[in-house]
Amino acid sequence: TQLLEQSPQFLSIQEGENLTVYCNSSSVFSSLQWYRQEPGEGPVLLVTVVTGGEVKKLKRLTFQFGDARKDSSLHITAAQPGDTGLYLCAGLPKTSYDKVIFGPGTSLSVIP
Amino acid sequence: KAGVTQTPRYLIKTRGQQVTLSCSPISGHRSVSWYQQTPGQGLQFLFEYFSETQRNKGNFPGRFSGRQFSNSRSEMNVSTLELGDSALYLCASSLVGSGYEQYFGPGTRLTVT
Repeated sequence: TQLLEQSPQFLSIQEGENLTVYCNSSSVFSSLQWYRQEPGEGPVLLVTVVTGGEVKKLKRLTFQFGDARKDSSLHITAAQPGDTGLYLCAGLPKTSYDKVIFGPGTSLSVIP
Repeated sequence: KAGVTQTPRYLIKTRGQQVTLSCSPISGHRSVSWYQQTPGQGLQFLFEYFSETQRNKGNFPGRFSGRQFSNSRSEMNVSTLELGDSALYLCASSLVGSGYEQYFGPGTRLTVT
């Protein structure tokens, strides 16, 4: 059974601080996605990383896919209150017919 | 392009009742997946439909069922509701399958009393 773990589970920081959240698995995924979900809403796709070692930047967010395609990290620089939300990673299987596996999420709160 | 829509947004039901939730995918998307999200279990996959056929199913009891229509709209049904079915039910659409990029709707918040 493929499982994804995320750490930390909860994170509360002051505006302007930097942070990193992690997504780990013992399984290899063809690609990995990061979503952000705000209370009462559905997750919104932030990025998809496909190649081992790949680094993608989205403004103040930097995503990295591990070389072995088993783990990923999300780094936020100078966090803002608008970054508050639940960050979910999702491992995509090798074919479109397999199930996507979601991690339990990291709940981030950025205090003004 | 309009996003994924789900109706209703909020629902309160009593134990033993049944409920039907609806999802309209993004135009052109043929895959619709359903997820249950609870604080304790996180996001759990229920099932996926593609071109009116169930392509994949999660580990949920038979009380949970779904279907997809020729216009790709999908419904899920939960019969004999239990307190533990209280959750946010999310629908996601994709062009070719849940193994690719998915776009989520806002969800239906179901409360069972």
